[in-house]
Amino acid sequence: EAGVTQSPTHLIKTRGQQATLRCSPISGHTSVYWYQQALGLGLQFLLWYDEGEERNRGNFPPRFSGRQFPNYSSELNVNALELEDSALYLCASSLGFMPGELFFGEGSRLTVL
Amino acid sequence: AQSVAQPEDQVNVAEGNPLTVKCTYSVSGNPYLFWYVQYPNRGLQFLLKYITGDNLVKGSYGFEAEFNKSQTSFHLKKPSALVSDSALYFCAVRDMSSGGGADGLTFGKGTHLIIQP
Repeated sequence: EAGVTQSPTHLIKTRGQQATLRCSPISGHTSVYWYQQALGLGLQFLLWYDEGEERNRGNFPPRFSGRQFPNYSSELNVNALELEDSALYLCASSLGFMPGELFFGEGSRLTVL
Repeated sequence: AQSVAQPEDQVNVAEGNPLTVKCTYSVSGNPYLFWYVQYPNRGLQFLLKYITGDNLVKGSYGFEAEFNKSQTSFHLKKPSALVSDSALYFCAVRDMSSGGGADGLTFGKGTHLIIQP
């Protein structure tokens, strides 16, 4: 069974540009979560999508946005990139509203120059 | 508000010795507790969870964790460390009474575990 897949693995952008990151959850999982892992800050919750709807978002500015498609895959968009957006962006999936374990992808490393 | 503390940034253990990675939590109600491991340049992998029941929880790769309600702790343990256990370990908590999904999970900042040959 395929795990959570993320693309691209690495992405280099300059300040002010936009970045789009993609995530495919485990087959059958309807919930997708996005986290930012910046150096020294641990995991910060970004967004939660379930059944195509945004269910909740963390304490991030509106230039962080995303969506979930009918096949439950998701994309994260970051507009007007700033240097501090440089981080590993992790996607995780789970079965609906269950508070059980999350299954993480290997992440997309975004570097903003 | 809920929180998780991992008081040690780094833990060093000799191979073959027992290891403990500490985690304390704070929630207003009863907790769900989790441990995840992250190997270099990889995503997080689930190790184990405490939902209810036996205070000693067994997980992947020979790890276990003990839930202690009076001390609000959920320390990760292994009887005999392997060099391959070297990684970054995250504790996470959510309040059982909070609705919704894993957006309610709060992660600790992580502890680097280094197993020396």
